[in-house]
Amino acid sequence: DVKVTQSSRYLVKRTGEKVFLECVQDMDHENMFWYRQDPGLGLRLIYFSYDVKMKEKGDIPEGYSVSREKKERFSLILESASTNQTSMYLCATVQMAGTGEMEPQHFGDGTRLSIL
Amino acid sequence: GQNIDQPTEMTATEGAIVQINCTYQTSGFNGLFWYQQHAGEAPTFLSYNVLDGLEEKGRFSSFLSRSKGYSYLLLKELQMKDSASYLCAVRNRGGSYIPTFGRGTSLIVHP
Repeated sequence: DVKVTQSSRYLVKRTGEKVFLECVQDMDHENMFWYRQDPGLGLRLIYFSYDVKMKEKGDIPEGYSVSREKKERFSLILESASTNQTSMYLCATVQMAGTGEMEPQHFGDGTRLSIL
Repeated sequence: GQNIDQPTEMTATEGAIVQINCTYQTSGFNGLFWYQQHAGEAPTFLSYNVLDGLEEKGRFSSFLSRSKGYSYLLLKELQMKDSASYLCAVRNRGGSYIPTFGRGTSLIVHP
């Protein structure tokens, strides 16, 4: 069974801190994603990665960076946390194109991050 | 650009049928997903449609009309555990697997 593991369910940090959110998957999927989810706004894509060391900006990358040094791990970094980054953060993975099938994304349980 | 619309909230009675609509305007189309998300949990995949018509999976069915930019998720024989958010997501970027999500519909099932 597919497993996407996010390192923390709940996290509280202070303004200005550097924050790392970790995501690990065990399915050997090439594609990994970071979303944030806010009430009334739905899921918004921050960054995604097609492969190791590859990254692409999503719709709201400002204030974030990512790292993908190994295929199974995709890290989201808040360089200097601000209160408007308080949110639920979700990691997702999907199998690479080429199968001809419509693969759904697999999500982690989320990290609820509070910036004080 | 992309625009995906879903009702914000719906209520229904246990045992009834409910239809959750999703309309989209996107530049190109490459499939539509429905996910279920219980409070505090990860979204889980329910169904996808890439061709027009109805896809049935037990109590859940999903319909797509590409010409109208319209889909619905039909839930039959509602159970209390069906209370959740339902997310519509559209793939419109050719060659990638990146869907754009609607804001979700919160369904409340009451006895």
